[in-house]
Amino acid sequence: KQEVTQIPAALSVPEGENLVLNCSFTDSAIYNLQWFRQDPGKGLTSLLLIQSSQREQTSGRLNASLDKSSGRSTLYIAASQPGDSATYLCAVGVISGTGNQFYFGTGTSLTVIP
Amino acid sequence: NAGVTQTPKFQVLKTGQSMTLQCAQDMNHEYMSWYRQDPGMGLRLIHYSVGAGITDQGEVPNGYNVSRSTTEDFPLRLLSAAPSQTSVYFCASSRSGANVLTFGAGSRLTVL
Repeated sequence: KQEVTQIPAALSVPEGENLVLNCSFTDSAIYNLQWFRQDPGKGLTSLLLIQSSQREQTSGRLNASLDKSSGRSTLYIAASQPGDSATYLCAVGVISGTGNQFYFGTGTSLTVIP
Repeated sequence: NAGVTQTPKFQVLKTGQSMTLQCAQDMNHEYMSWYRQDPGMGLRLIHYSVGAGITDQGEVPNGYNVSRSTTEDFPLRLLSAAPSQTSVYFCASSRSGANVLTFGAGSRLTVL
C-alpha cells in the first residue's frame, strides 16, 4: 500500500520568504502526483499536476518537482504572501482496479506572517 | 458552471440510521470519487467510478455503498451509520483518473 508523508506538519514563515514543502511516497510506481491547497472548512483546490513522465510543473509563484526514483516531490513557493496561508496536500495517483486511486498525505499547514 | 455540488453540507445521524450523501457534477467528467477526511489521517478513498455503471472500492469501503447510473451523479449511501463514520466527506471528479481532481465543498457528518 502506498504511504504518503508530508514533513513538516506545520510551517510558519515571514512574508516574502521563499519556501519548500516536501512530499515523500513509498512506491515509485505512480501515475501522477498532484498538489492541492485547502483553506479551513473548505474543499481542496488543485494547484499543480505532474504526470509520472514529467520532472516539474510551474504555475505563477509555484513550482513542483517530481523525483520518482527517490519517491519525493517538492512544492516551491516564491515570495510568500499572507494569502498563501493554508494547508497544502500532495496526492499520489496509482493505477488500481478499474482506474486510478489517489493516496493523500496529511498535509503541511502553512502560516505566512505579515 | 457549478462544478462539483455536494448535499447536504451538514448532517447529524443517530447510530443505525441510513442516509445518502449526494454528489453531482456538470463538467461531463467520467471519473468520480468519494473521500473521507479525518484529523491526522489525511483523505482516504472510499469508492470511485470511471463511468456510468462502473464502480470500484478504494482504501476504506466498508459501511458504504455507491452506484453510478448517470455520468453526472455519484451518491454515497450509509446503510447503518456508526460513530466511526463521523467525518468530513468530499466528492471529487476529473475528466479521467489521470487528470486534475475537482473537489466539492464537503459534507460534515456526525453520528451520535
